[in-house]
Amino acid sequence: EDQVTQSPEALRLQEGESSSLNCSYTVSGLRGLFWYRQDPGKGPEFLFTLYSAGEEKEKERLKATLTKKESFLHITAPKPEDSATYLCAVQADQAGTALIFGKGTTLSVSS
Amino acid sequence: NAGVTQTPKFQVLKTGQSMTLQCAQDMNHEYMSWYRQDPGMGLRLIHYSVGAGITDQGEVPNGYNVSRSTTEDFPLRLLSAAPSQTSVYFCASSYGLAQPQHFGDGTRLSIL
Repeated sequence: EDQVTQSPEALRLQEGESSSLNCSYTVSGLRGLFWYRQDPGKGPEFLFTLYSAGEEKEKERLKATLTKKESFLHITAPKPEDSATYLCAVQADQAGTALIFGKGTTLSVSS
Repeated sequence: NAGVTQTPKFQVLKTGQSMTLQCAQDMNHEYMSWYRQDPGMGLRLIHYSVGAGITDQGEVPNGYNVSRSTTEDFPLRLLSAAPSQTSVYFCASSYGLAQPQHFGDGTRLSIL
């Protein structure tokens, strides 16, 4: 069964304190792994797509990496505006357009 | 560019009532999907469409119907609302397989 597990469920950081969020996945053929950011009362906002092990993507203070079993979202010197829930999702080769989501990591950054 | 637009933003229904959640996208995307988001459960796929006239079931399709008569619109119908359908519903669209899905801001639905 295809599944996605994110850890930790919640993370509190001080401004400037770098850390990483983990997304472990089990899927029968990975078509793509997606990272989203979700703010309260809003829909998920697309951040990155990763397609193959070893691939990395960067955007401002965020960097996403991918191995054959997991992905990491590294947050460097976070700011309070980075506070949000970060969602990881995978799309399997035989699953059509369906995304399988993890339950998310809620990040709080205090100044 | 509006992206994905969902209406209404909030709705309260009584058990047994029916209603349609609207979703429209202006990006000419072929793929559209409906998800529900519940506390502790993550987002789960209800139904999806790979083009006008083509729909299929996702993980949790029971109690919901969809149709896709145009590329732009993908409405979700609740046939007879039940309290278990209280949730936040998100519509998403994408250009193709393995392409990022773009989400609307959701419809918050309460069934009493």
